[in-house]
Amino acid sequence: ETGVTQSPTHLIKTRGQQVTLRCSSQSGHNTVSWYQQALGQGPQFIFQYYREEENGRGNFPPRFSGLQFPNYSSELNVNALELDDSALYLCASSSGVVNYGYTFGSGTRLTVV
Amino acid sequence: AQSVTQLDSQVPVFEEAPVELRCNYSSSVSVYLFWYVQYPNQGLQLLLKYLSGSTLVKGINGFEAEFNKSQTSFHLRKPSVHISDTAEYFCAVSEVGNDMRFGAGTRLTVKP
Repeated sequence: ETGVTQSPTHLIKTRGQQVTLRCSSQSGHNTVSWYQQALGQGPQFIFQYYREEENGRGNFPPRFSGLQFPNYSSELNVNALELDDSALYLCASSSGVVNYGYTFGSGTRLTVV
Repeated sequence: AQSVTQLDSQVPVFEEAPVELRCNYSSSVSVYLFWYVQYPNQGLQLLLKYLSGSTLVKGINGFEAEFNKSQTSFHLRKPSVHISDTAEYFCAVSEVGNDMRFGAGTRLTVKP
């Protein structure tokens, strides 16, 4: 059984650019959630996808968008990057919409300069 | 909406001493409760979870937590810590059918 894999592991972007982060969910999981973890803080919920549809969104602006594919993998897209977007982005997968506990990937460290 | 407060941002403790990391939550409905651990430059690993039933939950690495509904708490405990337990610990809450919300974290530092 494979876990959650995220790519890339590290990324440096310039302010104003766009970025796409990728996540492969754990085998058998059809729900993917994305979190932003700024340095020294707890993870903040961005949004969740269930069976290719957005199923909840946190307090993030529309320039944060996502997709989920038929194989349940997912992408997080961020447009018009700002310095404050620098953070560890975590992907978590689970089975169904009732949350019995997520399996997390190791994250993508995004640095905006 | 649900929320979580971790009462201590840092907890230093000597090796082989007991430790308690405190967590309080706020919700108007039934919740699931979780503790995760994060080692440097890694993702989050599930330590234990409370879904229903017994209020004392045992997890991995010798950790346990007790759900107290009247005090809306879910404190994490370990009777004897090791150097390898040094990490960031996150308490999280999920209302049934909703996403998971995390606390700000408690940095546990175990000293020799």
